[in-house]
Amino acid sequence: IAGITQAPTSQILAAGRRMTLRCTQDMRHNAMYWYRQDLGLGLRLIHYSNTAGTTGKGEVPDGYSVSRANTDDFPLTLASAVPSQTSVYFCASSDSQETGELFFGEGSRLTVL
Amino acid sequence: GQNIDQPTEMTATEGAIVQINCTYQTSGFNGLFWYQQHAGEAPTFLSYNVLDGLEEKGRFSSFLSRSKGYSYLLLKELQMKDSASYLCAVRDDGYALNFGKGTSLLVTP
Repeated sequence: IAGITQAPTSQILAAGRRMTLRCTQDMRHNAMYWYRQDLGLGLRLIHYSNTAGTTGKGEVPDGYSVSRANTDDFPLTLASAVPSQTSVYFCASSDSQETGELFFGEGSRLTVL
Repeated sequence: GQNIDQPTEMTATEGAIVQINCTYQTSGFNGLFWYQQHAGEAPTFLSYNVLDGLEEKGRFSSFLSRSKGYSYLLLKELQMKDSASYLCAVRDDGYALNFGKGTSLLVTP
């Protein structure tokens, strides 16, 4: 693995189902983030984690939860998916000791029917 | 609150110069970033400004005026492959970036 990896790449999900999007980075970055990107709305922050063991809410956290048990992994869970959660989800990481630029995963396209 | 504005769409000709503006009003400021995003792909980092002035990197330059809450991205010698969305983002008091809605640039022959 080099960089940041997301899985699955794409998923179609029935409304009401539980879904976890996985995110793993091998850059030893302390901070990680989940964004969703929707046409006309840009990238919006869902949840973030400044360091392992801590998490925080972003702009649009409702319906989502995260955990940060270790430095490398930052899964995003939809407890009961709804159609409005249809989106492209990007995981990102950054090193606060540097400029703090975000490195993005390739994205997970989720469709909730 | 956060407010980051940039034009929705721009069109420019191959070989020309284009300037994409970004204005922001944020509760704090710890840097302004520009990202490029091709359709169906992840955003990739272009530039970072934290002090006033111009940062040049090859064909791309980025300018910042903190007192005016203003930045621009300048693309020179445009190429067809520069057709993409350009995202302006501001870091306020934390580590996360707050993004504008992006500017879709179309480069025509």
